[in-house]
Amino acid sequence: EAQVTQNPRYLITVTGKKLTVTCSQNMNHEYMSWYRQDPGLGLRQIYYSMNVEVTDKGDVPEGYKVSRKEKRNFPLILESPSPNQTSLYFCASSVDTTNTGELFFGEGSRLTVL
Amino acid sequence: GEDVEQSLFLSVREGDSSVINCTYTDSSSTYLYWYKQEPGAGLQLLTYIFSNMDMKQDQRLTVLLNKKDKHLSLRIADTQTGDSAIYFCAETPLEGGYQKVTFGTGTKLQVIP
Repeated sequence: EAQVTQNPRYLITVTGKKLTVTCSQNMNHEYMSWYRQDPGLGLRQIYYSMNVEVTDKGDVPEGYKVSRKEKRNFPLILESPSPNQTSLYFCASSVDTTNTGELFFGEGSRLTVL
Repeated sequence: GEDVEQSLFLSVREGDSSVINCTYTDSSSTYLYWYKQEPGAGLQLLTYIFSNMDMKQDQRLTVLLNKKDKHLSLRIADTQTGDSAIYFCAETPLEGGYQKVTFGTGTKLQVIP
C-alpha cells in the first residue's frame, strides 16, 4: 500500500531534550516536505527536499533540522525543543513539485513540549 | 509571502449543500487546491483548478473561481456525515509548484444528522 509513515504519532517531551520524528515513503517520490499545523494558522511549511541531499527552508524553519540521505526517508530533528514547538506535524511527499500533482500526507505526529 | 484565508467553521444539515469559501492574494497565475483532513488523519487532495478556469465539477463537488475577486469556493452537494472534516484551501504559483505552497487556515465542516 502506498503510504507516508511518520513516527512517533504522539510524543510528550521536555524542553531541551533532542528528538527526531521519522518520515518514510514507499512511493519513490522525489519531493518531501514537513509542515506544522496550529489552530488558526493552518499548515505552515518547515522544510522541503527536492531530492536526495537537497533540502531547503520553508516558511518556519527556526529550531528545526532535516536530512535527506536516502530517497525514502526525511527525518525532522528538533535539537533543543521549546514549548512553542508544541504542534501537530505532518510529513508529505509528491512525485515532484508539479502543480498538477498531489501531496500525500502522513497521519501526523502530535508533539507536546513541556 | 502569499496569503490564503478561510472562515474557521461551517455547520450544515445532512442532505443540504455546503459552501466553503477561500480568498487568496497571489496576483500571478496559480493553481488552487482543496484538501480534506478527516479526524486523526493527514490531508487528502480533493480537487484542483488552474486560475484560468471558472469552474470544475467532480461528482458532488463543484469548485467555483472568481478571478477578479480572488475568491474560490467548494460546494458539496447532498452533504453527508462522512463529509465532516477540515477543508483546506491551498495555492501554488506557476513557477515553483509545491515548493511554494501556501495553505489556508482550514474550515471545519460539521454535518448535523
